[in-house]
Amino acid sequence: GAGVSQSPRYKVAKRGQDVALRCDPISGHVSLFWYQQALGQGPEFLTYFQNEAQLDKSGLPSDRFFAERPEGSVSTLKIQRTQQEDSAVYLCASSSTGTSGAEQYFGPGTRLTVT
Amino acid sequence: AQSVTQLDSQVPVFEEAPVELRCNYSSSVSVYLFWYVQYPNQGLQLLLKYLSGSTLVESINGFEAEFNKSQTSFHLRKPSVHISDTAEYFCAVKGANFGNEKLTFGTGTRLTIIP
Repeated sequence: GAGVSQSPRYKVAKRGQDVALRCDPISGHVSLFWYQQALGQGPEFLTYFQNEAQLDKSGLPSDRFFAERPEGSVSTLKIQRTQQEDSAVYLCASSSTGTSGAEQYFGPGTRLTVT
Repeated sequence: AQSVTQLDSQVPVFEEAPVELRCNYSSSVSVYLFWYVQYPNQGLQLLLKYLSGSTLVESINGFEAEFNKSQTSFHLRKPSVHISDTAEYFCAVKGANFGNEKLTFGTGTRLTIIP
């Protein structure tokens, strides 16, 4: 079956623009995660959904970052008034259950460049 | 909170030689441990994981890792590497306490195989 997909794969934004990044998880997966991976670093947690409920948003770096998953499937990460420090690869992952040992399946990421 | 340290950012190894990629973690609660691999131009893939039970876990392509609670380590090993093992390897930890679903990653180790 299809894996996690993300769009767009690449996004260039001018400083101050708003961007929206989309994640399509594996069908039927309950949990969805967003991570940010800066150049040369490991992924860092941003936020987590179980179905449509956002259970943890402790990793969102500022109130310019907003994520939603209104129907418990597709998710959108929105960044308002982008800054150069927002340049990174944004990874989405999904897992089949909410249990701690469940594997997280990652998408290919969206590379955001803010100029 | 959890943290992960991967001391080696790059490891060059001759083909068919053994390799060890080091990972140390810190946590105030019990943990689950993971190794993810990222091949060039691909997304993160789970290589192996430790949840409980036997402290030695293996992957299908010859890698193994051993959970050492006293040394808070989860080093990744392979007795004989191949060109196809060239990739970036990320160690990750998740707290085993209820409601803690996020993965905390290390900064990654780039494994380069020398023919």
